[in-house]
Amino acid sequence: DTGVSQNPRHKITKRGQNVTFRCDPISEHNRLYWYRQTLGQGPEFLTYFQNEAQLEKSRLLSDRFSAERPKGSFSTLEIQRTEQGDSAMYLCASSSGSNEAFFGQGTRLTVV
Amino acid sequence: QKEVEQNSGPLSVPEGAIASLNCTYSDRGSQSFFWYRQYSGKSPELIMSIYSNGDKEDGRFTAQLNKASQYVSLLIRDSQPSDSATYLCAVSGSARQLTFGSGTQLTVLP
Repeated sequence: DTGVSQNPRHKITKRGQNVTFRCDPISEHNRLYWYRQTLGQGPEFLTYFQNEAQLEKSRLLSDRFSAERPKGSFSTLEIQRTEQGDSAMYLCASSSGSNEAFFGQGTRLTVV
Repeated sequence: QKEVEQNSGPLSVPEGAIASLNCTYSDRGSQSFFWYRQYSGKSPELIMSIYSNGDKEDGRFTAQLNKASQYVSLLIRDSQPSDSATYLCAVSGSARQLTFGSGTQLTVLP
């Protein structure tokens, strides 16, 4: 399967714990995006990498969120001190020069 | 005013009919326009992209773009029950990230 891969698919965590998600983009894609989606809404942009450089970060992204793409390949998204409001589907997408972005299966986070 | 607006629906059409989905956007600098299909509990799947004014056809799907009116639409011909899903309109400009509407829920009735 050469699509975007995300792990884990589901994560249940207690409030206050840290969680980390991984995204493996399509291999020839140099751009990687993280989005968050809650029920009944469209995906909401969080951050964007071109190769290993983090070029943009949403103003909505609190200090508890951090993302890395150390070698321009896979990316991780960490949420520190999780809150119930962080419960959502976290989506990763990748694209090349065409701007067509392809999404992974997502990681569904539930904070209890 | 939201940046990308879609009728939330739900929109119901009978099998075999044409489904028409509409989207307006506020940023005149937008350059790329996309339609994604999302089944319940799944991630968005890209079904159409359009970059210039006019129509673009791909199988049963036709995307229409009117930049002067800041309007994008998606027509689905010969609708099938398997087309029942939420359809998301997405727009990008010089910034590469996509801005999504809230989606239109489509139900195709057998």
